Amino acid sequence: DAGVTQSPTHLIKTRGQQVTLRCSPISGHKSVSWYQQVLGQGPQFIFQYYEKEERGRGNFPDRFSARQFPNYSSELNVNALLLGDSALYLCASSTARYGEQYFGPGTRLTVT
Amino acid sequence: DQQVKQNSPSLSVQEGRISILNCDYTNSMFDYFLWYKKYPAEGPTFLISISSIKDKNEDGRFTVFLNKSAKHLSLHIVPSQPGDSAVYFCAASVTGNQFYFGTGTSLTVIP
Repeated sequence: DAGVTQSPTHLIKTRGQQVTLRCSPISGHKSVSWYQQVLGQGPQFIFQYYEKEERGRGNFPDRFSARQFPNYSSELNVNALLLGDSALYLCASSTARYGEQYFGPGTRLTVT
Repeated sequence: DQQVKQNSPSLSVQEGRISILNCDYTNSMFDYFLWYKKYPAEGPTFLISISSIKDKNEDGRFTVFLNKSAKHLSLHIVPSQPGDSAVYFCAASVTGNQFYFGTGTSLTVIP
């Protein structure tokens, strides 16, 4: 079975631009969560979506938004990029709203 | 505000010996805990979980212990193997929803 997939693998953007990251969960998983991991730190929770509705939001500015589609895939959008947004963005899926989460390989975003 | 802490950035252990990775948390509402292993250029891989109704959970070479009164959990790997060399993260949540991660411990198993 395919695991969680994310695209693109790497991305380079300029300050002020907008970016969209994509995630496909494991088949049968209805919950998708997004995390940001900066170098030397653990993943930080950004959003959780379950059954296409936002179920949790971390301490991130409104420049960050996300959505989940009927096939349970998800997009994370970041507007007005700042240098500090440079990080590894991880997507995780789980079968239900609560429970262990399975991570994708991440998207490495570099903002210059 | 770091609610989950892993105070040892790194740990080296001889192959075949026990590896003990520690994690402390501050939020007494946390009731579900996970351990992940992460290799470079990959996403974290789920290892083992424990809920607050238990104080121990085993899965093969991996055992997680939870001490709720001390707000402390630990991961034991016995016996340690060179392939276990990776960064290990603990994560905690209230009801298994939003997870708070520690900063990770880099384990090196020496052959």
